Amino acid sequence: DSGVTQTPKHLITATGQRVTLRCSPRSGDLSVYWYQQSLDQGLQFLIQYYNGEERAKGNILERFSAQQFPDLHSELNLSSLELGDSALYFCASSVLLGGGEQYFGPGTRLTVT
Amino acid sequence: GENVEQHPSTLSVQEGDSAVIKCTYSDSASNYFPWYKQELGKRPQLIIDIRSNVGEKKDQRIAVTLNKTAKHFSLHITETQPEDSAVYFCAASRDSSASKIIFGSGTRLSIRP
Repeated sequence: DSGVTQTPKHLITATGQRVTLRCSPRSGDLSVYWYQQSLDQGLQFLIQYYNGEERAKGNILERFSAQQFPDLHSELNLSSLELGDSALYFCASSVLLGGGEQYFGPGTRLTVT
Repeated sequence: GENVEQHPSTLSVQEGDSAVIKCTYSDSASNYFPWYKQELGKRPQLIIDIRSNVGEKKDQRIAVTLNKTAKHFSLHITETQPEDSAVYFCAASRDSSASKIIFGSGTRLSIRP
């Protein structure tokens, strides 16, 4: 157990809908990262927050947005969902702003039908 | 943009033999290079990392080498065991603020009994 929690574990929704994925980082970690992993694919970095502020952006679609709250938990919002958005979404946290070990959560499996 | 190439995409070795996975990166300012192992259905976990001020790092059967001039780094696993079967990801990032991490596409390692 990495200490990072993600909810829900599984999510099934229809195209065009909007969903929110939630992540709680390890105690003391200020950085939160979001990743998308499609079937048999690598890890695509989406976005990073550090202590409430967006710090780095990867290949995140405009339909996706995220935020980190004062209690450091983070939410990833996915809207106007398409079939291709079906994937495993991981959250990771680290104590450092950059260049340190990331602890991954168990992931949220999103299925868009 | 920044890119990390990882080879091979699949690798099958006899139990007890060595396995080598190679990565090249494009951002010459990268200075932190972690390797993550992802077992089937599980979260990625850090197995070893190296910073640019070091050329080699070893942890029991696992070692990583870094060639900054050539911009490539490699993972070496010796005396492979069945539990080494997994997908391995390399990554590169800058040890600084506002730095996104780029992952390689992954190597699926299978250990033959």
